[in-house]
Parts: sequence; C-alpha cells; structure tokens
Amino acid sequence: DTGVSQNPRHKITKRGQNVTFRCDPISEHNRLYWYRQTLGQGPEFLTYFQNEAQLEKSRLLSDRFSAERPKGSFSTLEIQRTEQGDSAMYLCASSLARGNEQFFGPGTRLTVL
Amino acid sequence: AQTVTQSQPEMSVQEAETVTLSCTYDTSESDYYLFWYKQPPSRQMILVIRQEAYKQQNATENRFSVNFQKAAKSFSLKISDSQLGDAAMYFCAYEEYGNKLVFGAGTILRVKS
Repeated sequence: DTGVSQNPRHKITKRGQNVTFRCDPISEHNRLYWYRQTLGQGPEFLTYFQNEAQLEKSRLLSDRFSAERPKGSFSTLEIQRTEQGDSAMYLCASSLARGNEQFFGPGTRLTVL
Repeated sequence: AQTVTQSQPEMSVQEAETVTLSCTYDTSESDYYLFWYKQPPSRQMILVIRQEAYKQQNATENRFSVNFQKAAKSFSLKISDSQLGDAAMYFCAYEEYGNKLVFGAGTILRVKS
C-alpha cells in the first residue's frame, strides 16, 4: 500500500471557476476525512465519510462545496464558483476506526487568482 | 465546541538536547483521544504519538513521550536527544466523539546544530 494519495498536487484557477480534487485513501480504511489548512495554521475539519455515507459536514463547508465518496472508495471534493478565500491546502486523511491514527495525503494546494 | 491551544508559536532546541511542546484542550467528555502530528516543510503530516484518555500511563515512542494531565487538560510533548530531522511544525490534536480531529495552531520547532 502506498498510503493516501491526492490529485492534483497543485491547482491554479481563476475566481469563479469550478475545481475538483480527488483523494484515494488506504484501501482497507472505511473512514475518510477532508480538512483545509491555510498558511501557518492547523488543519480545519471540512467533512467526514464512513464508507459511502457522508456523516458530518463543517459549517465551513458552504453550499459551493460538495464532497462525494461513491462506493466507499475514492472521494472527490468540488468547489464551485471559487473565491480568493478558498486558496488553501486541502488535505485528505483516512483511518480504520475512531481513535486510530489518521493517515494524511500530501494535500492539494489551491490558488485562486 | 472543543478547542486545542498551543501557546508556543515557535521553539528552538540545540541538537541532542530536550525540548517540551505545550498543549491544552477544552472538553466536557471523559473518553477521547489525543495526538501529536508532525508536518515537515512541504511534506505531509505524520503521526508522532497517540494517547487514549482513559489510560493513565503516558504514551512513549522512542525519543518522544507525553505528559498527559487529564484533570488539567494538558498534553505536552517531550522530544529527547533532538535531531535535525525533528525540525517541523508540530500540531496537537483532539479527536472528538464524531471522529474528526480538532487541531491547535501549531508550534514551529527549530533544531540548531
């Protein structure tokens, strides 16, 4: 197993465009998390899946954000009508169970011009 | 909402010396998990050490150990025999019942040779 992977690693887009990020968790992990990290800050929780069910969404996740995890495997995070304030590192993590280590991917750095 | 506070934005340590990073948290729960994660520059987040709140014994992983004071809601990380490779941003994190991690703002650790 190669760990959690995320694509793309970097994305530059113009304000108002839509972007989609992909996360491939560790294969046997049924829990998948999305976090957002701005420069010099700790990651902030966005949303969480257990298998294909999205169980929790942060208030940070506005209507422009949507996440899916079809068939409980990979996950996508889409941001519609991007704003400059969306510029951040988007981190994906996966784990086996509550209390277990969350394994993080390398992140997708989004820059909105 | 639970909060995690890291009061030291930056710390420095001489190679081979010992350094302690502070973390306090706020919760009304009795069963939870605490973590220290390390994020090297431009690299992904990795777990340093994990503590289960119902275990009174402090967790230890090689040169890394914690001082877990449940009543004081304090969870400090001690790094012994510091090495150049320990230089990174360190995040204290609390796992809520809903499984998401709540992170502190982080402490930058610089190791001097």
